[in-house]
Formats: sequence, structure tokens, C-alpha cells
Amino acid sequence: KAGVTQTPRYLIKTRGQQVTLSCSPISGHRSVSWYQQTPGQGLQFLFEYFSETQRNKGNFPGRFSGRQFSNSRSEMNVSTLELGDSALYLCASSLTGENEKLFFGSGTQLSVL
Amino acid sequence: GQQVMQIPQYQHVQEGEDFTTYCNSSTTLSNIQWYKQRPGGHPVFLIQLVKSGEVKKQKRLTFQFGEAKKNSSLHITATQTTDVGTYFCAGSLYNFNKFYFGSGTKLNVKP
Repeated sequence: KAGVTQTPRYLIKTRGQQVTLSCSPISGHRSVSWYQQTPGQGLQFLFEYFSETQRNKGNFPGRFSGRQFSNSRSEMNVSTLELGDSALYLCASSLTGENEKLFFGSGTQLSVL
Repeated sequence: GQQVMQIPQYQHVQEGEDFTTYCNSSTTLSNIQWYKQRPGGHPVFLIQLVKSGEVKKQKRLTFQFGEAKKNSSLHITATQTTDVGTYFCAGSLYNFNKFYFGSGTKLNVKP
């Protein structure tokens, strides 16, 4: 089985731009979660999707949004980028999203200049 | 807000020594998971603990969940260079995958 695939692997943007990151979960997994990882703040929960619906949301501003498609693939979007948005964005999938282990992708390293 | 504190931040050990990392939550958890992240890699699931006072072992790794379900620990016996990485605990309050991650303990093992 293929693992969780995230694209692109690296991204460089400038302040004020917007960015879209993509995540393809493991086949059969219907829950997709997104986490932001920074050296200072560690891993922070962004949101979780299941069957195209956002079920959980973390404490991030509205500039951070996401969606999930009928094939369980997910995208997250960050608008009006700020320097502080520079981070590794990790996507994780699981079967149902209920007390299950997370399978993480390799992440997208976003640098905002 | 909900926090999961993890100590120590760093640990340097000689190969063969033991290692322990501790997690403490401000509120009672539904369950706790442990992950390992190798340098340049992504977190990889190690184990999940659900019951109060639960203890699980995986070869040289021993995981514990406190009686009050507010704290947890990971103990590695006789560390090896392959144990190098950052170990994270992740606690969940409810029965769905919104996890609060500890800040991680970075383990370095000197051969």
C-alpha cells in the first residue's frame, strides 16, 4: 500500500501570497488531519476532515482553510502569507479518525520570505 | 487551553544507557499516543495507551499511562544508536483524532 503522499515537498513564497498544499491519504483512509510543525511551537493541530466535512478545527486564524474531496484527498490553503507561517506542514490519515493511529506524510516545507 | 507538557527537551546518552521521557497533561486524556521522528523524517506511530494505569512493552521500550490519565512516560532500556530521534507524546481529549502533541524529547545516543 502506498503511504500518505504530500505535494509539493518544498515551497518558497513571499509575504502576502497564498499557497495550496495537497495530501493524498492511504487508500481506504477517510480521515485526513493537518498539523503545523515549527521548532518553537512543535506540532499543532490545524483541522481534520472526514467524508468531505471538517469535524475538528485548531486555533489558527481564518487564513488557514482546507477541504476534502470525495476520493478523500485533501488540500489546505493559506492566504495572505506571513513570515510566521514558515513551517513544515504535515498531513496524517487514518481509517475513521476515531482514536486511531495517524499515518503521516513526509510533509511540505513552506518558507515565506 | 489544553496543553501537553513534555520533558526533557533534550537527552544525550551513551549507548547502553537508559532513557526516559515524560508527558503531563493539564486535563484528563481519553488516550495518549507516542510517535518517533527521525532527523529529516516524519512522525511514525509507536503505540497507543487507552486504559488508566496501562503499561505496554515493545522490546526495549516501555510505555506507561498514569492512573489519572494525565501523565505518561516512555522508557528505553539499553539505548542503541538506532534509537536516535525525537519522541513525541500526543494526547486526545475525546474519541476522535484531534491530538495535542508534546514538544518532544530529542534523543542523541553516542556510540
